[in-house]
Amino acid sequence: SAVISQKPSRDICQRGTSLTIQCQVDSQVTMMFWYRQQPGQSLTLIATANQGSEATYESGFVIDKFPISRPNLTFSTLTVSNMSPEDSSIYLCSGIAGVVETQYFGPGTRLLVL
Amino acid sequence: AQTVTQSQPEMSVQEAETVTLSCTYDTSESDYYLFWYKQPPSRQMILVIRQEAYKQQNATENRFSVNFQKAAKSFSLKISDSQLGDAAMYFCAYRRGPGGFKTIFGAGTRLFVKA
Repeated sequence: SAVISQKPSRDICQRGTSLTIQCQVDSQVTMMFWYRQQPGQSLTLIATANQGSEATYESGFVIDKFPISRPNLTFSTLTVSNMSPEDSSIYLCSGIAGVVETQYFGPGTRLLVL
Repeated sequence: AQTVTQSQPEMSVQEAETVTLSCTYDTSESDYYLFWYKQPPSRQMILVIRQEAYKQQNATENRFSVNFQKAAKSFSLKISDSQLGDAAMYFCAYRRGPGGFKTIFGAGTRLFVKA
């Protein structure tokens, strides 16, 4: 199994600023993902974090707004840049590990932009 | 494109009773995984049960079991002897595999458990 932690757990930010969310896994994962989730709704995939190379972004998400790093198999960061109130959401880190490719999730980062 | 549909936005069950959550999916792939995830109000998403498409036998995990109908592309979750701790948002999910493809989630079903 894999345990995923995220920092910070929540934050309140001013519009125009940037926030970097850290994701740490206690074991190696083959793939890592970043999701966004509005309260009571499903998950929206932002991007796949690729080790040592640029992330693969989903339609509607761009690197300038959501730069992602993944320097190794257990760590990734997501930056929400030039924030606006529309970026208020929960951001979830996720990783796939093991022979049976189980997907694990972090506890999420609750972001409020004023 | 693959899709996952959960047609029940909310469900309610009496404690100790049984409830079934519905899920249908669409895919042209023959090799894939299906999942049910639980997300309690604390927000940590956890895996409840998984089913490999090539397995005919329905997966079971304690009080949780699935009814996997491959031809009908249906994957329902049955929760027996419901407990207050089962109250959560439940997401049905699909992933093509193996090979590390991205997971597609349904819209979710919020389950309420009445004492």
